[in-house]
Amino acid sequence: DGGITQSPKYLFRKEGQNVTLSCEQNLNHDAMYWYRQDPGQGLRLIYYSQIVNDFQKGDIAEGYSVSREKKESFPLTVTSAQKNPTAFYLCASSKGGSIRYEQFFGPGTRLTVL
Amino acid sequence: AQTVTQSQPEMSVQEAETVTLSCTYDTSESDYYLFWYKQPPSRQMILVIRQEAYKQQNATENRFSVNFQKAAKSFSLKISDSQLGDAAMYFCAYSGYGGSQGNLIFGKGTKLSVKP
Repeated sequence: DGGITQSPKYLFRKEGQNVTLSCEQNLNHDAMYWYRQDPGQGLRLIYYSQIVNDFQKGDIAEGYSVSREKKESFPLTVTSAQKNPTAFYLCASSKGGSIRYEQFFGPGTRLTVL
Repeated sequence: AQTVTQSQPEMSVQEAETVTLSCTYDTSESDYYLFWYKQPPSRQMILVIRQEAYKQQNATENRFSVNFQKAAKSFSLKISDSQLGDAAMYFCAYSGYGGSQGNLIFGKGTKLSVKP
C-alpha cells in the first residue's frame, strides 16, 4: 500500500541532545513537508522540499535541520538549539509543489523533552 | 501574510443533526485553494474537502459541503447527518501562490463533539 510512514511514534529526548525524526513515502511524490503541532494550535510549517537535494525554511525553522538526499525520504533533526521541542510532528507529501496538489500526511511523531 | 481564523474552539452536535463550522481567512491573492482537514483522536490528518477560489460552485463530498463566500473571505463547513465518527478536530487551511507556494496555512482548529 502506498503511503507515508513516520518513526518512531513516540520519542523522548534529554535536553541538549539532537534527535532525528524519520519520514518515508512510497507515493513517488516530489514535494515533502514537516509541520509542528502544539496543543490548541494548528499546524505550522518547519521545512519543505519540492525536489531532491533542495529544501526551504518554513515559518518556524530555527532549531531544526533537514536533508533530502532521496526522493522518498525527508528526515527532520531537532537540534539542541530548539528551545521548546516538545510537540507533535507531522510529515506530509504531495505530487508537486503547486497549490493544486493535495498534501497527504503521515501518522506523526510525538516528541517529549525530559 | 495570509491568515486563517477559526473562531469556534469547540462545537457540539447531536447525532443525525447538522452542524456548521466557521472559517475566515485573509489574503490579497485572487487564486488559491481552501481546505478542511479532519484530525481524529488517532491524530492522522485527513482531507475532508477542498475548494478552488476560481470555482464559484461550492464543493460537496457526501455529507460534507462548504459555503464559500469569496468576497467575504469566508469558508464554512457543513456536516449533515452527523455521525459519531465525525467527532474530531477540524482544521481550515489555505494554500496560495505567494510566499511558500504549495504550503498550507492552518487555523487553530475546532473540536467537534457528537452526542449520541
